[in-house]
Amino acid sequence: NAGVMQNPRHLVRRRGQEARLRCSPMKGHSHVYWYRQLPEEGLKFMVYLQKENIIDESGMPKERFSAEFPKEGPSILRIQQVVRGDSAAYFCASSPLDTSGELFFGEGSRLTVL
Amino acid sequence: AQKVTQAQTEISVVEKEDVTLDCVYETRDTTYYLFWYKQPPSGELVFLIRRNSFDEQNEISGRYSWNFQKSTSSFNFTITASQVVDSAVYFCALSEAPYSGYSTLTFGKGTMLLVSP
Repeated sequence: NAGVMQNPRHLVRRRGQEARLRCSPMKGHSHVYWYRQLPEEGLKFMVYLQKENIIDESGMPKERFSAEFPKEGPSILRIQQVVRGDSAAYFCASSPLDTSGELFFGEGSRLTVL
Repeated sequence: AQKVTQAQTEISVVEKEDVTLDCVYETRDTTYYLFWYKQPPSGELVFLIRRNSFDEQNEISGRYSWNFQKSTSSFNFTITASQVVDSAVYFCALSEAPYSGYSTLTFGKGTMLLVSP
């Protein structure tokens, strides 16, 4: 499967625990985006990364959320001390050269906080 | 700031009916891209179409067609002879030109389409 791979597809956490969501972009893509979809809402931009760099994190909540895209390995979205309001679907998207705005989305990771 | 409005929250049709999903957008840029994505019940996002702001030609792909009208800032999506498998949430999205080397999509809230047999 040459598409954007996200895991886990479903994650259940209790309040206060940490959630780690992983995203492997399409082969040859060096741009990664994370979007969040709250229940019955559209997707909202969170963060844009290139290898080893956070380029735009204007959509990230100021606390508890962080993202990285290391030189080797997948991009990771980390949520510390999760709360019920973090329950959502988190989508990763990748693109090669970003000149067209076209993003290739993964299947999403659904986080449920109990 | 850019904005995408999908005024129809939910539409129900019977199979074989035609249905149009509306999308109105706001942007200050003269160069931008418009998208439609489909999200079936399984949850993944399926890319349907991309249109750049300089190309106002309507497009048809099988039972799908798109009507882009810059004068009214609308990018509507029509499904002809709808089928049960078309049942999904459909999102319209806008991307401004990536002058800074990247762009982000602004999504509408989506329209849920229910096609019954």
